[in-house]
Amino acid sequence: NAGVTQTPKFQVLKTGQSMTLQCAQDMNHEYMSWYRQDPGMGLRLIHYSVGAGITDQGEVPNGYNVSRSTTEDFPLRLLSAAPSQTSVYFCASSPQRWSNQPQHFGDGTRLSIL
Amino acid sequence: DAKTTQPTSMDCAEGRAANLPCNHSTISGNEYVYWYRQIHSQGPQYIIHGLKNNETNEMASLIITEDRKSSTLILPHATLRDTAVYYCISTGNQFYFGTGTSLTVIP
Repeated sequence: NAGVTQTPKFQVLKTGQSMTLQCAQDMNHEYMSWYRQDPGMGLRLIHYSVGAGITDQGEVPNGYNVSRSTTEDFPLRLLSAAPSQTSVYFCASSPQRWSNQPQHFGDGTRLSIL
Repeated sequence: DAKTTQPTSMDCAEGRAANLPCNHSTISGNEYVYWYRQIHSQGPQYIIHGLKNNETNEMASLIITEDRKSSTLILPHATLRDTAVYYCISTGNQFYFGTGTSLTVIP
C-alpha cells in the first residue's frame, strides 16, 4: 500500500514555464487536497476535491489549476510559474471530507522558480 | 472553521512528558481537534484527534477541556525523535494549519 505518492520530488522551473505536479493515492479516498508550505510557515490550502469531477478553491488558489478525473489522481497545474510560487507542495487525502477523517500526506514536491 | 493558537516553541527533557497546549476558543460544537507533527520538511504525520472526550493512542494522549476551548497533547516519554513542529488544528470542512509549536527534546 503506497499511500499518497507525489511526483516529482524536486523541480526547478524558469519564470513563465508551466508544469503539473502529480498526486496519486491508492486508498480509494474521496477527499484530496493540495497545500503549499513556505519557509518557516504552516501549510496553506490551495485547492481541494471531494470526489471525481468536483473541485473547489482553498485559501490560496491563484495561479493554480486542478482537475479530478479519477478518484486516484489529483494533479496540480502551475499555469505560468512565478518566483512567489517557490515552495514545498504537499498533497493529502482522506476517506471523506468530513471532519472525523484524518488526512494522509505525501512526502512533498520541492519547487524552485528562478 | 475555528483557528488555533499555540506557543511558538517549547523544550522538553528526554524521557519526560511533553505537554503541548493549544487554544481553540472559537471552536464550534461539531469541529474536531487534530494534532499533526512535521519532522524537518517531511509531510505532516497524523498523531491523534478528538471531539469532546480525552483520547489516547500508541503515540500520544489528547486532553480536551470540558468547554472545548483548549486542549493539550501529551507525549508521555519524549525521545529525541519527537523533535518536530506540532500543529493543532480545529476543523469543520477544511484544515487550517498555523505555524505550530517547535518542540525540541533535549538529551
